Amino acid sequence: ETGVTQSPTHLIKTRGQQVTLRCSSQSGHNTVSWYQQALGQGPQFIFQYYREEENGRGNFPPRFSGLQFPNYSSELNVNALELDDSALYLCASSLDSGGLNSYNEQFFGPGTRLTVL
Amino acid sequence: SQKIEQNSEALNIQEGKTATLTCNYTNYSPAYLQWYRQDPGRGPVFLLLIRENEKEKRKERLKVTFDTTLKQSLFHITASQPADSATYLCALEPADSWGKLQFGAGTQVVVTP
Repeated sequence: ETGVTQSPTHLIKTRGQQVTLRCSSQSGHNTVSWYQQALGQGPQFIFQYYREEENGRGNFPPRFSGLQFPNYSSELNVNALELDDSALYLCASSLDSGGLNSYNEQFFGPGTRLTVL
Repeated sequence: SQKIEQNSEALNIQEGKTATLTCNYTNYSPAYLQWYRQDPGRGPVFLLLIRENEKEKRKERLKVTFDTTLKQSLFHITASQPADSATYLCALEPADSWGKLQFGAGTQVVVTP
C-alpha cells in the first residue's frame, strides 16, 4: 500500500451531472497529480498541483478542474459529465524538493471508478 | 504527433522463462523512463526508473534498458513467476514537463505454472 487514499471507490453518475473525487496524499508529500485511465488504456495526465497551485495541465477541457488544500489533499471536479468521462481516475502524490532535474517518485492511489450513464 | 507504443497483445509465458516487453516512443525527449506494474482494479506501482544517460538498470529479477537513439526501452522479467502476472506500463517523463508522466497503454503478462 502506498498511503495514498481516494474516495469514493466507485461512482455512478448520469450525463450532464457534476462529480467531485477526493485524494489524500501520502504523509509529507506536497505534490498531487491526477490521471484518467480508460479501459484498456494507460493513464492520461490531467493536471498537477504543487503547494496549492496548478503546476501543469494535460489535454483536458476546462470542465476538469481541481484543488489542493493546505494539508496537500486534493479534489478533482468534473462538470457537465459526458459518457466518455467513464474511466478510472487515479491520483498520485510525490514530494517535490524543488531541485532542478531531480526525479520525484510518484505513489498512486487505488483510483475511483466513475461510470457515466 | 507524440506516441508511446507497447505491445497490445498479451504476453503468455511459462514459469521460469524470461519475459521481455518493449516500449517505443516518438517525438519525445524523455529525461526519465519508468516502468510500472498494474494489477486489475488497482493503481500503478512503480518498479524501475532509468535516466536518459543510462543504458541499463537492474533490480532483483527486473532489468530495463534504454536506447535514446532507437527511442526504445526493453523491460525484462527473469525467472518469471505466476505472481508476476499483471499489466506493465512504461511511462516517460519529458525533460520540459517534470512530474507529468506520459504512459503507454501497457502490456499484459500472463505467467503459467
